[in-house]
Amino acid sequence: SAVISQKPSRDICQRGTSLTIQCQVDSQVTMMFWYRQQPGQSLTLIATANQGSEATYESGFVIDKFPISRPNLTFSTLTVSNMSPEDSSIYLCSVGRAPNEKLFFGSGTQLSVL
Amino acid sequence: LAKTTQPISMDSYEGQEVNITCSHNNIATNDYITWYQQFPSQGPRFIIQGYKTKVTNEVASLFIPADRKSSTLSLPRVSLSDTAVYYCLVGDNNAGNMLTFGGGTRLMVKP
Repeated sequence: SAVISQKPSRDICQRGTSLTIQCQVDSQVTMMFWYRQQPGQSLTLIATANQGSEATYESGFVIDKFPISRPNLTFSTLTVSNMSPEDSSIYLCSVGRAPNEKLFFGSGTQLSVL
Repeated sequence: LAKTTQPISMDSYEGQEVNITCSHNNIATNDYITWYQQFPSQGPRFIIQGYKTKVTNEVASLFIPADRKSSTLSLPRVSLSDTAVYYCLVGDNNAGNMLTFGGGTRLMVKP
């Protein structure tokens, strides 16, 4: 298993500001992913965080809006930039030890943008 | 990437067996089937994964017919704590696409 610590657990932010979410794993993992889950909805994959290289973004998500860092095999950050109320959502960090093995998830960051 | 279809919601009572079926008509030869459980304010948690026939662990069983176009997650004797959303995912274990979540099934267990 993998223990994932995600910070902050929740935040309320003003429109136009940015928030950086941290994801720390208790062991080295190959795969790290960032998801968004809007209230009452399923999870949507934002991007794959690649260690030592630029993240791979899914359709509809861009680096300028959601810059991602992954400096090593246990840590990643997701920044939600220039926030608007439409960015209010839960953001989840997920890890996998090998391609398409089961995923482990953090508890998420609940973001509210006023 | 095979698309999945699940019932939006299901109700059950404590002590009953619950079966949640997922349709994946376009499943490919290399695709596996994985189920996750999500409680409110938590990230999803892996339940079970299978390729064909039947898989059983301490939490659930997964039944997959020969044509693999559907699968059924079986939860024996549910309790109130099994109230959650259950997601079925289908994808190729070697191709990096077991990452797409469908709509999920919201299970409500009543006393």
